[in-house]
Formats: sequence, structure tokens, C-alpha cells
Amino acid sequence: EAQVTQNPRYLITVTGKKLTVTCSQNMNHEYMSWYRQDPGLGLRQIYYSMNVEVTDKGDVPEGYKVSRKEKRNFPLILESPSPNQTSLYFCASRGTGSHQPQHFGDGTRLSIL
Amino acid sequence: SQKIEQNSEALNIQEGKTATLTCNYTNYSPAYLQWYRQDPGRGPVFLLLIRENEKEKRKERLKVTFDTTLKQSLFHITASQPADSATYLCAPGSRGGNTGKLIFGQGTTLQVKP
Repeated sequence: EAQVTQNPRYLITVTGKKLTVTCSQNMNHEYMSWYRQDPGLGLRQIYYSMNVEVTDKGDVPEGYKVSRKEKRNFPLILESPSPNQTSLYFCASRGTGSHQPQHFGDGTRLSIL
Repeated sequence: SQKIEQNSEALNIQEGKTATLTCNYTNYSPAYLQWYRQDPGRGPVFLLLIRENEKEKRKERLKVTFDTTLKQSLFHITASQPADSATYLCAPGSRGGNTGKLIFGQGTTLQVKP
């Protein structure tokens, strides 16, 4: 089954404690992306990757890092999380061509205390 | 700056009626527009794509229109069912081959009452 898998689904942690949210896709997609979803603001892109070792900033990259060492994996790293990063995070992938539908994971709800 | 507007208020309709959701955009000339469905606790799921040279697209009970003059897309669900209750997101996309970008609206929540 084609899918995007995120882990963990839920995480409560404290300010400053480094965390990583993993994302994996089994569709051999080159393009992967991270979004955060906040009430009233919709989905906003954090980072995206066009291929292995190729990443670029989205609209709200501050406080986040990503890496793309393998085609299937695209982890999101919060080196020093802060309360304003409390949000619902989604990983997505798509095939070649920006018009291709994006396939989303089921989300990771992060709470930073 | 680019702005995508969807009705922030929930849309409540009776089962069997047609639901119409609106997506307006400003400071933007998208090459295409996608619609997604999002259920609580789940990621968005792609429904339909319509390109700028297409006026209308249909898929089963779904119909999407794209008016580049009005800068608006309408999303219709005919013969609506309670199972159609969800939040619907519009996402206009920019040109740019493989580098074009989607910008998501906030979504409109649809409630279909039996």
C-alpha cells in the first residue's frame, strides 16, 4: 500500500530538548515536504526536498532542520524546540511535476512545554 | 503577498443537497488548483486537479470550476451524504515544472446532516 509514515504521532516535550520527527514514503517519490498546520493559518510549508541531498527552505523554516540522505526518508529536526513550535506537522511526497497530487502522512502533534 | 481565502465558517447542509465551497485567491496567477479532503486526525487526501485552461472538472459526485478572471474556484458535492462531512482544502499551484509550489487555503468544514 502506497503510504507516507510519520513517527511519532504524538509527542509532548520540553523547551530546548532536541527532537526528530521521522518521515518515510514507499512510492519512490523524489519530492518530499514538511508542513505545519495551525488554526486559522492553514498548512504552511517548512522545508522541501527535490531529491537526495537537495533541500530548500519553505515559508516558515526558522527553528527547523531537515536532511535527505535517502530517497525514502525525510526527517524533520528541531534542535532547540520552543513553545511556538507547538503544532500539527505533516510530511508529504509527490511524483515528478508540481501538479502531481501530494500524499500526506497522518500527522505528528507536537506540544512543546 | 499571495492570499488564499476559503469560508472560515462551517457549512451545514441537509443530506441530499448540493454543497458548494468557495476558494478565492489574490496576488496570484496559479497554473492549476488542487482540492483536498481532510478528516479529523488525518492528513489531507487529494481529490481533484483542475488546470488554468480547464473551466470545469468532474469526478463522480464532485465538480470543480476554475475562473481565472474572477480568481475563484468552486467545489461542488452533489447528492451530499453524512460521510462527506470533513474539511476541504483548496491549493492553487504555481508554474515552474517540478519546482512549482502549492499554497493551501485554511479549509472549509462541511457538515452534512441526515
